Amino acid sequence: EPEVTQTPSHQVTQMGQEVILRCVPISNHLYFYWYRQILGQKVEFLVSFYNNEISEKSEIFDDQFSVERPDGSNFTLKIRSTKLEDSAMYFCASSSGTTGTEAFFGQGTRLTVV
Amino acid sequence: KQEVTQIPAALSVPEGENLVLNCSFTDSAIYNLQWFRQDPGKGLTSLLLIQSSQREQTSGRLNASLDKSSGRSTLYIAASQPGDSATYLCAVRPRGTGFQKLVFGTGTRLLVSP
Repeated sequence: EPEVTQTPSHQVTQMGQEVILRCVPISNHLYFYWYRQILGQKVEFLVSFYNNEISEKSEIFDDQFSVERPDGSNFTLKIRSTKLEDSAMYFCASSSGTTGTEAFFGQGTRLTVV
Repeated sequence: KQEVTQIPAALSVPEGENLVLNCSFTDSAIYNLQWFRQDPGKGLTSLLLIQSSQREQTSGRLNASLDKSSGRSTLYIAASQPGDSATYLCAVRPRGTGFQKLVFGTGTRLLVSP
């Protein structure tokens, strides 16, 4: 069964460092998303991406964040200068369409900023 | 702004019981509602997707209903098993601006004891 895969599963980084979280969405999907979940809190939307550009982003997704689809299979989230409050589980998701379709999520990357 | 609430926050039942998890949302203007399962420290597994025009969806021992006008959905789990122990999340896809994102509830943590 097709699935969304994320790497690494856990990343520890020092405050101020740049991190790149990687995702391989389901191959025939066209819409890609990043969400995050701070420990004990709700899953929150960060950004959606379609046709090689950001189609929607939340207030959380400020200039420290960027996304990219560097090739035909990968989708990345970059955090330029990590803060302690960026520590969270980051989920990548993909869907074949938007409004009526099911979103499939990856297993997540746990980011710990120390 | 769409808010999603799930009650109860936690539920503990003996194996074999039928149970109902509740999800409520403040704005009935949604495209669909999706139920997920999250195991500790893991990703989100999609369980059921209900379109706004549908009243219910079934998958195995799971049945989800949607009453859009009252802003409610329930997830019914029949004959619960210890393997059902997880956190269950509901998420809505709002109409209008912001339609690309899912808005999540806080989840119900379910423990099924043998």
